[in-house]
Amino acid sequence: DAGVIQSPRHEVTEMGQEVTLRCKPISGHNSLFWYRQTMMRGLELLIYFNNNVPIDDSGMPEDRFSAKMPNASFSTLKIQPSEPRDSAVYFCASSPPFEKLFFGSGTQLSVL
Amino acid sequence: DAKTTQPPSMDCAEGRAANLPCNHSTISGNEYVYWYRQIHSQGPQYIIHGLKNNETNEMASLIITEDRKSSTLILPHATLRDTAVYYCIVRVANTGNQFYFGTGTSLTVIP
Repeated sequence: DAGVIQSPRHEVTEMGQEVTLRCKPISGHNSLFWYRQTMMRGLELLIYFNNNVPIDDSGMPEDRFSAKMPNASFSTLKIQPSEPRDSAVYFCASSPPFEKLFFGSGTQLSVL
Repeated sequence: DAKTTQPPSMDCAEGRAANLPCNHSTISGNEYVYWYRQIHSQGPQYIIHGLKNNETNEMASLIITEDRKSSTLILPHATLRDTAVYYCIVRVANTGNQFYFGTGTSLTVIP
């Protein structure tokens, strides 16, 4: 199994631009999570999905952030418009029902 | 929200056992204790988890106190590759699926 696949690995963009981060969970996993990691705030849970349905999005910082999971094998996290304070590493993770999380390698986002 | 307390940093000599403590004094009866670690710039990696009994696998041992208010992760023979940030997490099983990471313990294994 290839594990959780995230793309791109690195993204550099300018303030005000739209950014889309992508995630392919492990096949058969029904839960998907988006985390953000910064030095100041550590690992923050942004949103998670069960069976493609958003269950808890209380960690999404503001309306500029949105996440979708159109099917069991794909999810996106979109930031529009992006701001410099959004610079962070964004991790996607997936899990079978009520089991441990498997993390992807992350996307390093830099907003200039 | 993180429900655990860990020391911010620890050192351990290579080849010795690393004992990483975690306090979870408000843990509920149906909450599991999970341990993950994160090696620099990589995604967190699962190590071990338990409910109330001590657990051991190929990576580590988990010792949970009888009152379940604290636990210790033991790396029996630490190597330089064990240098990482170690996170202790409590999670309700079979209901919510949120894993909230605290600040963790930065373990440095010294040659």
